[in-house]
Amino acid sequence: EDQVTQSPEALRLQEGESSSLNCSYTVSGLRGLFWYRQDPGKGPEFLFTLYSAGEEKEKERLKATLTKKESFLHITAPKPEDSATYLCAVQDSDRGSTLGRLYFGRGTQLTVWP
Amino acid sequence: NAGVTQTPKFRILKIGQSMTLQCTQDMNHNYMYWYRQDPGMGLKLIYYSVGAGITDKGEVPNGYNVSRSTTEDFPLRLELAAPSQTSVYFCASSSHGDIQYFGAGTRLSVL
Repeated sequence: EDQVTQSPEALRLQEGESSSLNCSYTVSGLRGLFWYRQDPGKGPEFLFTLYSAGEEKEKERLKATLTKKESFLHITAPKPEDSATYLCAVQDSDRGSTLGRLYFGRGTQLTVWP
Repeated sequence: NAGVTQTPKFRILKIGQSMTLQCTQDMNHNYMYWYRQDPGMGLKLIYYSVGAGITDKGEVPNGYNVSRSTTEDFPLRLELAAPSQTSVYFCASSSHGDIQYFGAGTRLSVL
């Protein structure tokens, strides 16, 4: 069974203190890895898609990287508005990939305080 | 551009009651999905659809039903509501089965 594990479960950072969130996965074949941001009381908001090991994507203070077994979401000089839950999800190329099914981790709750 | 719209936003049901959660999208996406999110847990797929008239079960389909008569709409039906169905429900859509765009969710309590 596909497994997506995110760590840590919760992370508190002071404004400006850079850090990384981890997403490790076990799939038969990775079709894609997705990062979402979720604010309290709202639906997940798409951030990045990564398809192959070595790929990197950036958006403002966020940078996502991918290896064969895990992905990192690096947050550089975070601000309080970066506080949210960050979700990682994978698509397995060997199990109904054309159906677009995503398998989600439990998320990392990030709090950035001034 | 509204994207994915879910109604209602909140609902309280009594055990045994039935209801339909509505989901509509205006992006002409073929793929649509229903998830539930419980505290501290990842999103779990309930049902999905790859086009009008085509639906299939996800990981946790028991107690739910869906239909897809149009490209835009993908309602989720709860029959005989149980406390275990207390959750937040999210609808999502995708054009090519990759990036999914989510609605704001329906928060359901079954008492």
